[in-house]
Amino acid sequence: GENVEQHPSTLSVQEGDSAVIKCTYSDSASNYFPWYKQELGKRPQLIIDIRSNVGEKKDQRIAVTLNKTAKHFSLHITETQPEDSAVYFCAASIGSSASKIIFGSGTRLSIRP
Amino acid sequence: DTAVSQTPKYLVTQMGNDKSIKCEQNLGHDTMYWYKQDSKKFLKIMFSYNNKELIINETVPNRFSPKSPDKAHLNLHINSLELGDSAVYFCASSQVASVSSNEQFFGPGTRLTVL
Repeated sequence: GENVEQHPSTLSVQEGDSAVIKCTYSDSASNYFPWYKQELGKRPQLIIDIRSNVGEKKDQRIAVTLNKTAKHFSLHITETQPEDSAVYFCAASIGSSASKIIFGSGTRLSIRP
Repeated sequence: DTAVSQTPKYLVTQMGNDKSIKCEQNLGHDTMYWYKQDSKKFLKIMFSYNNKELIINETVPNRFSPKSPDKAHLNLHINSLELGDSAVYFCASSQVASVSSNEQFFGPGTRLTVL
């Protein structure tokens, strides 16, 4: 069945350094790839998304890249800050409809002061 | 001005009981979802409704029954609760037909504990 794999499961970086989280997906028809951030005890919230007709998208300190051939996509956070500490989930649409997305297993990001 | 709301926030109950969780969205979205997040933080989709019609029904035990009285509400009823049902249940909504964004807006979650 369709699958999204996410690595690493935990990541600890020094404040100010960059963090990279990687995901792979199995459904070649997937065309929508959102990233959600979930702070402790809170709800998941969308931080950035990318569609298959774009290879890269940037929003301030956050960027996402997509390699459709390899079925890889990644989240890059630069100049990390304490408030970036959270669990991050990648996701991919199943087929060409965005009505169903499959989430990765999550990455717990900790920012060391 | 809550976009997606759920009640109750916490639910503690005994095995074998029947319970319901309610969800409402005031965003005018046409699609609503129920997700289960277990202790390892895995987010798994359970159900999705589009304009009151069931469109996604994952391999969920038939003890779980969603009901959508209108497109702004999606409730989840669980019969004969089991220990393994303990988790946080999130409701979400989105406007799937939107070209600009398919963002799913999540509710605050309902933490269900089965004793």
